[in-house]
Amino acid sequence: SAVISQKPSRDICQRGTSLTIQCQVDSQVTMMFWYRQQPGQSLTLIATANQGSEATYESGFVIDKFPISRPNLTFSTLTVSNMSPEDSSIYLCSARTNRGNRENEAFFGQGTRLTVV
Amino acid sequence: AQTVTQSQPEMSVQEAETVTLSCTYDTSESDYYLFWYKQPPSRQMILVIRQEAYKQQNATENRFSVNFQKAAKSFSLKISDSQLGDAAMYFCAYRKGGGSQGNLIFGKGTKLSVKP
Repeated sequence: SAVISQKPSRDICQRGTSLTIQCQVDSQVTMMFWYRQQPGQSLTLIATANQGSEATYESGFVIDKFPISRPNLTFSTLTVSNMSPEDSSIYLCSARTNRGNRENEAFFGQGTRLTVV
Repeated sequence: AQTVTQSQPEMSVQEAETVTLSCTYDTSESDYYLFWYKQPPSRQMILVIRQEAYKQQNATENRFSVNFQKAAKSFSLKISDSQLGDAAMYFCAYRKGGGSQGNLIFGKGTKLSVKP
């Protein structure tokens, strides 16, 4: 299966600032997703990153707070804007293809641990 | 809406023994996939096993197997001959099949401890 490089792996940020997280896949993928994992919790989908068009956001997440880019089939960014301590979480990038076999199921980056102070 | 429920926040098993993690789900779809993911302290989500809903045969991957009960909407994971490296958070997940966008819906997870 493909490999996802996500960076930064962790950051400590001041409230009111913004952080952009990058996700690079080593092969072309059909779909890319951004998840949030709050401390001790499960993963919640933020949005689906669509290549060449606006991301599709889940209920409770908005573009102004979490702008997403996906300029091509292997790269996406998630920005956490105007951060507050409630944004402290792990953010994970995920990708998959539509080829139907197990190896092309969703695989994940190592996540970005964000702490907002 | 689809939901995934894991009723065991924590489980413990002795090394070399067998443990079963529970998962139930709710969906009105007929075409879907179910998964177990492992998340060790490194945070990397690792796919353990995948089950296609249309297959009656339970999926197996070495020491990992599932008991898929479609009518009961139950999908448990059995880990045989548990090893210290199996200690992690385990998440049950669901994905719609067909032409869906393919995002995963996760349960809340089960923290598995392995005792030497």
